[in-house]
Amino acid sequence: DTEVTQTPKHLVMGMTNKKSLKCEQHMGHRAMYWYKQKAKKPPELMFVYSYEKLSINESVPSRFSPECPNSSLLNLHLHALQPEDSALYLCASSQVSEPSNQPQHFGDGTRLSIL
Amino acid sequence: EDQVTQSPEALRLQEGESSSLNCSYTVSGLRGLFWYRQDPGKGPEFLFTLYSAGEEKEKERLKATLTKKESFLHITAPKPEDSATYLCAFSGGGADGLTFGKGTHLIIQP
Repeated sequence: DTEVTQTPKHLVMGMTNKKSLKCEQHMGHRAMYWYKQKAKKPPELMFVYSYEKLSINESVPSRFSPECPNSSLLNLHLHALQPEDSALYLCASSQVSEPSNQPQHFGDGTRLSIL
Repeated sequence: EDQVTQSPEALRLQEGESSSLNCSYTVSGLRGLFWYRQDPGKGPEFLFTLYSAGEEKEKERLKATLTKKESFLHITAPKPEDSATYLCAFSGGGADGLTFGKGTHLIIQP
């Protein structure tokens, strides 16, 4: 069992749907992350929240929208996704993101399929 | 461009047959070199962090080492439950988050 909890574990949605992925950690970490992982590929960073400040990977399309209600929770809002967005979405947390030498702890991800 | 390259892409060993996985890196301002294990359908599981050349860390059958250009993950007398994809990642180079290598898919046959 991991200390980073992601829900739902699986999600199937159409291209016109709006849905949200949720992530929660109770380790007192102050930085949280979203990664995208395609099959047989490594995780790729999408967003970083550190001390409530957002950093964005500029290659991530605007149909993905992160939200950090508090330091323990991280959401990823999805809207008008494309079939190529089907992937495993991983949430991670670490004690701090600057300096970026702290290990990140990952949840088991949400498997997203876009019809 | 900052990057890590892992080799081999895949490795099949007999139970008890020791070997090493390689992670070569070119990173300006390396802050940390991380090793993770990932099982199918799961998130990466943290194994080790290495910060400076010459550093070594051990956990059960695994030992990670770091030089100025590469890191090795040595696996001694592996068991079938050590089968997984092993990912190397770095932090630094001015980027937030971790940048991962493509991983080594390790299979230990009984």
